[in-house]
Amino acid sequence: KAGVTQTPRYLIKTRGQQVTLSCSPISGHRSVSWYQQTPGQGLQFLFEYFSETQRNKGNFPGRFSGRQFSNSRSEMNVSTLELGDSALYLCASSLVPGTLNFGPGTRLTVT
Amino acid sequence: AQSVTQLDSQVPVFEEAPVELRCNYSSSVSVYLFWYVQYPNQGLQLLLKYLSGSTLVESINGFEAEFNKSQTSFHLRKPSVHISDTAEYFCAVSHTSQGGSEKLVFGKGTKLTVNP
Repeated sequence: KAGVTQTPRYLIKTRGQQVTLSCSPISGHRSVSWYQQTPGQGLQFLFEYFSETQRNKGNFPGRFSGRQFSNSRSEMNVSTLELGDSALYLCASSLVPGTLNFGPGTRLTVT
Repeated sequence: AQSVTQLDSQVPVFEEAPVELRCNYSSSVSVYLFWYVQYPNQGLQLLLKYLSGSTLVESINGFEAEFNKSQTSFHLRKPSVHISDTAEYFCAVSHTSQGGSEKLVFGKGTKLTVNP
């Protein structure tokens, strides 16, 4: 089976812009989670979707949003980008509790 | 709220030496525990997990971790490391009562460097 794929892999944006990141889970996986990874804060949970419903949300401002489509693909959106949003954004899908299958991530740089 | 503390940010060891990567967690409810590994230039992978049953869990590449409820710890050990074990290791915790939610709280990571 193909693994979790994320597009794009690298992105450079300017402060104030918005960005949309995409994630395709492993076939058959209905749960998709998003995490932000930075050197200072480490891995932080953003949100999780299951069957198109947000099941849990982390402590991030409302500028961070997401959605899941009927084919389980997910997108996350960050509006009004700030320098501090520069990070590796990881998507993970799962079938078994706790067994997250991570994608390679999208490296976002905000200038 | 849950939290995870990985006591060492970097652990250098020589090849074939034993290693222990320490992880302590804080939670007021029952938890599941995990170790994930991130090899250089690769994505995160699940190494091992404790959900219930035996408190000692093992991975296919020789690592093991023991859930100690009284010490709230889940330390990762390997009796003899290889160069290929060089990676960053993350300890993580989740509630058992999250209704299936996959929210994990991760520690800051421990960089294991195995030297020849």
